[in-house]
Amino acid sequence: AQSVTQLDSHVSVSEGTPVLLRCNYSSSYSPSLFWYVQHPNKGLQLLLKYTSAATLVKGINGFEAEFKKSETSFHLTKPSAHMSDAAEYFCVVSDREYGNKLVFGAGTILRVKS
Amino acid sequence: GAGVSQTPSNKVTEKGKYVELRCDPISGHTALYWYRQSLGQGPEFLIYFQGTGAADDSGLPNDRFFAVRPEGSVSTLKIQRTERGDSAVYLCASSLVLASPINEQFFGPGTRLTVL
Repeated sequence: AQSVTQLDSHVSVSEGTPVLLRCNYSSSYSPSLFWYVQHPNKGLQLLLKYTSAATLVKGINGFEAEFKKSETSFHLTKPSAHMSDAAEYFCVVSDREYGNKLVFGAGTILRVKS
Repeated sequence: GAGVSQTPSNKVTEKGKYVELRCDPISGHTALYWYRQSLGQGPEFLIYFQGTGAADDSGLPNDRFFAVRPEGSVSTLKIQRTERGDSAVYLCASSLVLASPINEQFFGPGTRLTVL
């Protein structure tokens, strides 16, 4: 079975400082991993995806994530937070063996202070 | 082009009533997914359609929940004898299905269901 653990339910950073949202997963040998963002009253938007190509994945709005198989981690980072980054972030795993359905973590709410 | 649309955006019903939630996927997307997001949680998978058939309905919580996609495009999620615990945001997503790599699922804005 697949599962995702987001290690922090809430993260608070100051504008202009780095962002780190942590994610650990459990899956088969070759999972696909995603980060989605959900702004208040908006739909889920894909930030980035890992599909067994480069282990360092760059996404939209300056976000990136690194796949570390040995640590079963897929942490999301951004060098400098912006006020517009305040939202809820979901780490997601998928496996073709399970029909490509997405398994979501519980989410991390990111707060950006001015 | 148009994204995934869902109607209604909000639905308030009474316990025991029947509801239908509609999803219009992106044109040409053969795969369609339903998820449920309860307050404070991540979305949970309900059912997956490939074309007209339900390829995986393992996430449906019980037999009060049913979904159809008769023409391989629009899908309807049907909930009978609603219970207060069914209150959640119901999300629909669609994707292309290609051999590789895995395809991005595009999400609709969701239907917020409230059962009183």
